[in-house]
Amino acid sequence: AQKITQTQPGMFVQEKEAVTLDCTYDTSDPSYGLFWYKQPSSGEMIFLIYQGSYDQQNATEGRYSLNFQKARKSANLVISASQLGDSAMYFCAMREGGYKLSFGAGTTVTVRA
Amino acid sequence: SAVISQKPSRDICQRGTSLTIQCQVDSQVTMMFWYRQQPGQSLTLIATANQGSEATYESGFVIDKFPISRPNLTFSTLTVSNMSPEDSSIYLCSVEDRDRGNTEAFFGQGTRLTVV
Repeated sequence: AQKITQTQPGMFVQEKEAVTLDCTYDTSDPSYGLFWYKQPSSGEMIFLIYQGSYDQQNATEGRYSLNFQKARKSANLVISASQLGDSAMYFCAMREGGYKLSFGAGTTVTVRA
Repeated sequence: SAVISQKPSRDICQRGTSLTIQCQVDSQVTMMFWYRQQPGQSLTLIATANQGSEATYESGFVIDKFPISRPNLTFSTLTVSNMSPEDSSIYLCSVEDRDRGNTEAFFGQGTRLTVV
C-alpha cells in the first residue's frame, strides 16, 4: 500500500498567488515525521519544511507552511506569494519510527508570470 | 544544516563499466543513505551506509550491484557496477544527524547518470 499519496501530478499557479500541494499519508505508528522537498530541474533535493506527529502547531518556514490535519492524515504544503523560482517538482515524504523516508510521486509546479 | 558535496554531478558511462559516486559531509553525521531516482519517478532508498560495517540494503538492491563504503562519519561512496541503460538515474546521498536531536534529512546535489 502507498504510504504517501500526492494526487496532483502537475499544477499551474500565477506569480504572487498562493498554491496548496496535497499530501496524504498512511501509518499506524504514533511517532512519525513529515517532510516536504523541492527538486528543481538541476536534480538536487532541497529540504523545505518538517512536521512531527506530536507537534501541536503547524510548521512554517518563510513562505512555506504545512497544513497538518492529523485525524485526516494529511500534510498539505502551502506556498504563499509564488515566485518564478518556485517552479519545480515537490515531494512529500514520511519517516515512521525509525529512519527510512518514504516518498510520494511528486507534484510539478509551474509558476506563470 | 549539513553541507553535502556529491561527486560527480553527472556522467555518461558505457554499459558494462562501473561508476563510483562520492558523498562528503562537512560535519560528522550519524546516518547516511543512498537513494535512486529513475527518470520521471520518485526516490527509492537503496541502502543505509553504516560506518565501519556492511551497508543495509533495501529489498531489490544487492551489494554486488551497489557496493557501498563508509569509512568514517563524514564520507561514503556508492558504486554502480556492471552498468546497463536501466541504471540511468539520479543517485542521491542523504544524511541525518540524530545525535544532535535534529529531525531533518538533507540531500546532496545528486549524480545524474546516463548509461549508453
